[in-house]
Amino acid sequence: NAGVTQTPKFRILKIGQSMTLQCTQDMNHNYMYWYRQDPGMGLKLIYYSVGAGITDKGEVPNGYNVSRSTTEDFPLRLELAAPSQTSVYFCASSYVNRGTQWLFFGSGTQLSVL
Amino acid sequence: QQQVKQSPQSLIVQKGGISIINCAYENTAFDYFPWYQQFPGKGPALLIAIRPDVSEKKEGRFTISFNKSAKQFSLHIMDSQPGDSATYFCAASYQGGKLIFGQGTELSVKP
Repeated sequence: NAGVTQTPKFRILKIGQSMTLQCTQDMNHNYMYWYRQDPGMGLKLIYYSVGAGITDKGEVPNGYNVSRSTTEDFPLRLELAAPSQTSVYFCASSYVNRGTQWLFFGSGTQLSVL
Repeated sequence: QQQVKQSPQSLIVQKGGISIINCAYENTAFDYFPWYQQFPGKGPALLIAIRPDVSEKKEGRFTISFNKSAKQFSLHIMDSQPGDSATYFCAASYQGGKLIFGQGTELSVKP
């Protein structure tokens, strides 16, 4: 069982470059999320999706875009990379069972913008 | 207010001791309060969770205490072990599942 798979694991970008962080899940979850994690700041929600074709902004969406064309895939796009986007990015998917929300995270993408 | 405030930022406990991490929230619409455990280089993993109709939930050595009137909840780790050394995040959710995370607590359990 692959779970939530993120690629790449590491990436260095120059200011102004663009890139797409890939995320795919094989658990058939409708809910998917993108978080960024900065030291001492916890995880901040960037964007989320409740199903294919439906996305919405989270707490810190500026500078990012997402799409959800299939249940499995939820890529995150950085159009004009800035040093403030240096962070660790986590993709996650979730389902609810017996009142417990099970959120499964990928292993993360460490991004540096120089 | 959508914030979840977590303390302390770091915690050192001796093996066998009790680790206590606290969180506070303001939004009374939150209806689900999980705790996540994260090891270095890994994504967070669900540890234990509680809903506001329950004041305490215990799973093994991990207990959540919930005080609805004070809008606070805490994680207690009994008989702390070196293998519990990790970063712990509290969180709260609303509106169908968007989780708002606390700032994290780095726990170190000394042998």
